[in-house]
Amino acid sequence: KAGVTQTPRYLIKTRGQQVTLSCSPISGHRSVSWYQQTPGQGLQFLFEYFSETQRNKGNFPGRFSGRQFSNSRSEMNVSTLELGDSALYLCASRLQGVRGNEQFFGPGTRLTVL
Amino acid sequence: GIQVEQSPPDLILQEGANSTLRCNFSDSVNNLQWFHQNPWGQLINLFYIPSGTKQNGRLSATTVATERYSLLYISSSQTTDSGVYFCAVVDNYGQNFVFGPGTRLSVLP
Repeated sequence: KAGVTQTPRYLIKTRGQQVTLSCSPISGHRSVSWYQQTPGQGLQFLFEYFSETQRNKGNFPGRFSGRQFSNSRSEMNVSTLELGDSALYLCASRLQGVRGNEQFFGPGTRLTVL
Repeated sequence: GIQVEQSPPDLILQEGANSTLRCNFSDSVNNLQWFHQNPWGQLINLFYIPSGTKQNGRLSATTVATERYSLLYISSSQTTDSGVYFCAVVDNYGQNFVFGPGTRLSVLP
C-alpha cells in the first residue's frame, strides 16, 4: 500500500502571498490531520478532516484553512503569508478518525516565506 | 489540555550502547505513539502503544497508562538511530495528537 503523500515537498513564497498544500492519505483512510512544525513551537495540530468535514481545529488564526475531497485527499491553504509561517507542514492519515487509531505521516512540505 | 514531557532532551551515545527515553503525560490517554523523525523531516512510526509492551527488533516500548508514562528502549544503538524521537498522545477527551518536545539522539561511531 502506498503511504501518505504530500505535494509539493518544498515551497518558497514571499510575505503576503497565499499557498496551497496537498495531502493524499493512505488508501482507505478517511481521516486527514495537518500539523505545523517549527523550531520554536515544536509540532502543533492544525486541523483534522473526516468525511469532508472539519472535526477538530487547533489554535491557529483564520488564515489557515483546509478542506477534504470525496476521495479523502486534503488541501491546506495559508493566506497572507507571514515570515513566521515558515515551517514544515506534516499531514497524517488514519483509518476511521476515531481516537484509537494509529496515525501515519507523510514526508512533509517545507515552506519558506521570504 | 493534556501536557506531554519527554526526557532527556538530548542524548549522546557511542555506537553499541543502550538507551531509555521517557514520555510522561498529564492525563489518561487512549492513544500513544512513538515516532522517529529522520533528517529529512519525515515521522516514522515506531510503536502504537496506548498500554502494554511491544518489541520490534532492537527497539521496544512500554506504556504504563495508570502511572501516565511510556518508555522507549533502544538497544545496541547504531548511527542510523540518530534523530529526534517524539512521543504523541490523544487524551480521552480529544481526537488530535499532542506531541512532546522530543528527545534528540546522537549516536557516534
